Amino acid sequence: DSGVTQTPKHLITATGQRVTLRCSPRSGDLSVYWYQQSLDQGLQFLIQYYNGEERAKGNILERFSAQQFPDLHSELNLSSLELGDSALYFCASSVLGGGNTEAFFGQGTRLTVV
Amino acid sequence: QQQVKQSPQSLIVQKGGISIINCAYENTAFDYFPWYQQFPGKGPALLIAIRPDVSEKKEGRFTISFNKSAKQFSLHIMDSQPGDSATYFCAARTLGSARQLTFGSGTQLTVLP
Repeated sequence: DSGVTQTPKHLITATGQRVTLRCSPRSGDLSVYWYQQSLDQGLQFLIQYYNGEERAKGNILERFSAQQFPDLHSELNLSSLELGDSALYFCASSVLGGGNTEAFFGQGTRLTVV
Repeated sequence: QQQVKQSPQSLIVQKGGISIINCAYENTAFDYFPWYQQFPGKGPALLIAIRPDVSEKKEGRFTISFNKSAKQFSLHIMDSQPGDSATYFCAARTLGSARQLTFGSGTQLTVLP
């Protein structure tokens, strides 16, 4: 168990809909990363938050957004869903600063868009 | 734009054999190179990692070899076991405050009993 909790584990929704994925980082970790894993694209970095502020953006679509709350949990919002958004979405957390920046991954949310 | 290239895509090894997975990168702004192991239905888990000032790191049956001048690094799994069957990802972490990981495309390893 990595200590990173993601909910829900599975999500099935229709095209055009909006969903919210939730991530609780490990205790003490200030940084949260979101990754998308699909068969054809592998693990793609989407976005990073550090202590409530956006730190870095990767290949995140404009239809997607995220935020990190004061209690450090994070949510990834996916809207106007398309079939191609079906994927595993992983959250990872780490402590920034010093030499310890190992990222611990949650078990992921499998999103299926039908 | 793939910045970390991983090969092979799949690998089948007999129990007791050596599994070798290779990665190459282009961006010199990477400062940390971890390998992740992922079992079906699970998230990636850190297996072993190396910094570019070290040429080799060994932890148990797992060894990373790093060639900074060639911008290549590899994972060697000695005495491979069926329980090692999983998908392995190499990754590289960017310098600076962001620290996000760029992953290779993954290698599906099957160790035959």
